[in-house]
Amino acid sequence: AQTVTQSQPEMSVQEAETVTLSCTYDTSENNYYLFWYKQPPSRQMILVIRQEAYKQQNATENRFSVNFQKAAKSFSLKISDSQLGDTAMYFCAFMKPYSSNTGKLIFGQGTTLQVKP
Amino acid sequence: SAVISQKPSRDICQRGTSLTIQCQVDSQVTMMFWYRQQPGQSLTLIATANQGSEATYESGFVIDKFPISRPNLTFSTLTVSNMSPEDSSIYLCSVGGATDTQYFGPGTRLTVL
Repeated sequence: AQTVTQSQPEMSVQEAETVTLSCTYDTSENNYYLFWYKQPPSRQMILVIRQEAYKQQNATENRFSVNFQKAAKSFSLKISDSQLGDTAMYFCAFMKPYSSNTGKLIFGQGTTLQVKP
Repeated sequence: SAVISQKPSRDICQRGTSLTIQCQVDSQVTMMFWYRQQPGQSLTLIATANQGSEATYESGFVIDKFPISRPNLTFSTLTVSNMSPEDSSIYLCSVGGATDTQYFGPGTRLTVL
């Protein structure tokens, strides 16, 4: 069974600085997807970034980028130029393709990020 | 991505009653899912809502407690039956389409007294 681990329950960063959130996972699959979702106090789950396991290139979305290390089963999220609106709970998640007859997202425990002015 | 709405956004219910949560999408989607997020916890998949057939439940979740309907490709309901305080959670629906990505509705915050 797949597992996802986020070892940092809480983190803080000063506005405009850079922060990295850690995530490790365990799977025997070769083809899968990894995600970072953000959940602000409004509780809406917002997709931040998506990585396909078959792609060696790390995904980027504006100020958000990942460091995907497939052999090490590591998937960290880097937030550059942190903004107050980045304050939220961040969840790392694993998913097998829909073609595998499952769409189950497996989530880590979450990391609460506080951006300080 | 699709626009997803959920009703109600929040509710306070009495022990022993049932609540039905609706999830509406503005376009047809292949996959619809229901997740539970208990207070201070991560998300756990309850079931996959299958169009025209019975939902597929995850271990620990049963149809009698969480009946699900999906009459078409844009709508699904989740009922929380015979509620107890332990059912107090946020319930979220998510949808997936051609790309292997899930997008979430705004969630329903349920409090059971």
